[in-house]
Amino acid sequence: QKEVEQDPGPLSVPEGAIVSLNCTYSNSAFQYFMWYRQYSRKGPELLMYTYSSGNKEDGRFTAQVDKSSKYISLFIRDSQPSDSATYLCAMGSGGGADGLTFGKGTHLIIQP
Amino acid sequence: DTAVSQTPKYLVTQMGNDKSIKCEQNLGHDTMYWYKQDSKKFLKIMFSYNNKELIINETVPNRFSPKSPDKAHLNLHINSLELGDSAVYFCASSGGGYGLTEQFFGPGTRLTVL
Repeated sequence: QKEVEQDPGPLSVPEGAIVSLNCTYSNSAFQYFMWYRQYSRKGPELLMYTYSSGNKEDGRFTAQVDKSSKYISLFIRDSQPSDSATYLCAMGSGGGADGLTFGKGTHLIIQP
Repeated sequence: DTAVSQTPKYLVTQMGNDKSIKCEQNLGHDTMYWYKQDSKKFLKIMFSYNNKELIINETVPNRFSPKSPDKAHLNLHINSLELGDSAVYFCASSGGGYGLTEQFFGPGTRLTVL
């Protein structure tokens, strides 16, 4: 079993819809959770960062972490065609120089 | 001004050659990383450097050697390149210190080995 599972998609939704992206993980040591957005042929761009269970909101984006279920989600409200990208979940166990463990990414397509 | 930059952006080379990729960050971060993204877009940690010391070294062939001349730079040297080394290599940096902080990525170097 991989440490981080993420459905690769593609996930195609109409413009304006609410998008839900999810990851599950198996390593209880993970304490920090991030969502990155990656456009084609670009580097990952940090969207959300959280280290506790619960919700964190930033504009149209909400990150949700449930450590008891080892499940994290990213919600995008009022989705726009410019949101079309690959969304990567990432997590780490702490310590100043830990590398992140990434999911494989979900390819999201927002249809105009 | 670019926070994390890498050169070159594209690198095409023959099997058996030796090549280097350079990374620079102007964020004042203590920790820098190299990640490899394969053809299936899976991103995996290779190395981490904290204040010029190697902290982690995942199961990467010893043909790959990171070198950090100072805490703003982390270069990746690859000897005897193989076809399987073809991938996109990303440099990242973070503030380090106690607890995991956000990592910021460079634009990537697309390496093609022929």
